[in-house]
Formats: sequence, C-alpha cells, structure tokens
Amino acid sequence: GDSVTQTEGLVTLTEGLPVMLNCTYQTIYSNPFLFWYVQHLNESPRLLLKSFTDNKRTEHQGFHATLHKSSSSFHLQKSSAQLSDSALYYCALSPRGNTGKLIFGLGTTLQVQP
Amino acid sequence: ETAVFQTPNYHVTQVGNEVSFNCKQTLGHDTMYWYKQDSKKLLKIMFSYNNKQLIVNETVPRRFSPQSSDKAHLNLRIKSVEPEDSAVYLCASSPDRGANTEVFFGKGTRLTVV
Repeated sequence: GDSVTQTEGLVTLTEGLPVMLNCTYQTIYSNPFLFWYVQHLNESPRLLLKSFTDNKRTEHQGFHATLHKSSSSFHLQKSSAQLSDSALYYCALSPRGNTGKLIFGLGTTLQVQP
Repeated sequence: ETAVFQTPNYHVTQVGNEVSFNCKQTLGHDTMYWYKQDSKKLLKIMFSYNNKQLIVNETVPRRFSPQSSDKAHLNLRIKSVEPEDSAVYLCASSPDRGANTEVFFGKGTRLTVV
C-alpha cells in the first residue's frame, strides 16, 4: 500500500547550518503528489510546499524540495536554519484518486539551537 | 488566521462515556476531514466528506461516527470511549478533493480518556 517514510524522528542543529529532512515514499501510482506540512508548537499543521513534477525544485519560505521519482524521494532542505524553524515537519503523499486523502509520515522534529 | 474552528479545545472523560466534537469551516470548502494525531504525533486520516457525502472511511472502530449537516460542518461522535482514543482530533477542510489540494487544519480537540 501507500506509505511515507521519514527516517529521522529528531534533528537538532545549530542556527545557521543547513537543514535536510529526509522523506521517501511508496505508491503504486506513477504520478503522486508530495507535500511538506509544518506544525509549530501548539499550532495546527499547515502546508509548507508541494510538488507533482519530477526533478523540479519547489520553494517556499526559504525551504525547498525536489521530487525525484527515480528514488521515490522528496527531501526538505534549507540553506541556513533559523530558530523559528523549530517545529514538527510532516512529509505527506496524496494517492491518485478523488478523495483529498493524505498519507503522512511519522514526522521529524527539527530543533534549532542558538 | 484560523478558519477551521473546533470545539471543545480539550475534553477529559472516563472510559465508556460518549463524547462529541464539533467542527466548522468558514472557507467555503467542499471537503472536510477528521484526522487523529496520537501521542507519538502519528497523523492519520479517519474520515473525509465531500458536500455532506462520506467519501473516505478508514479502518476506524465502529464507536466513531462522523456527522455532517452541511458542507461547512463536520462533527465527530465517539460512543463508549476507550483509553486508546486519547489523542488530538484534527478537523480539516480543502477546496476540493483533488490529489493536489491543500488541506487546512483546525487547532484540534485534545481528548484524554481516564
């Protein structure tokens, strides 16, 4: 079945260093949509960015990700972490079909330290 | 700014009781969802409605029953709660149910079953 894997449960790094959060997925569909949602403490998840196009970089709010269908990956990156980036990041997959359903990974907590 | 409103914010109840959670969205969206976020932050879809019609019903115990009076409202009733029902229940909505649709989450209802 469809699934999303986020290998890191917790990523801790120092402000100013680059961020990379891993996401791989499995699906039978050849054209899935991939998403990153971010949830700050005591807030609800909100969309950070999404992609459908193979090998095309998608950017938003300083973060970027590229969907690579050959490796079934959609890693989230940022060149320089800020304290305000500390949050829970979910990678999500939308299987094809007319339901709007999202399948989420387990999430990666990013802690940025001064 | 929150446009998906959930009540109550918190609810503590005893095993075996019945609880109801309310959700309203003011975005004019056609599709609404209930997601469950457990203590490990696993986020999983429970139900999805499109224009008051149930379109997604995941493997959820029968004690859970969604109710939709119109496309702006989606409530959740749990008959005879059990300890494993302790979680944050997130209501969400999206403009449509396409695979690329953005999902907007409410702030959640935190249920504690004692």
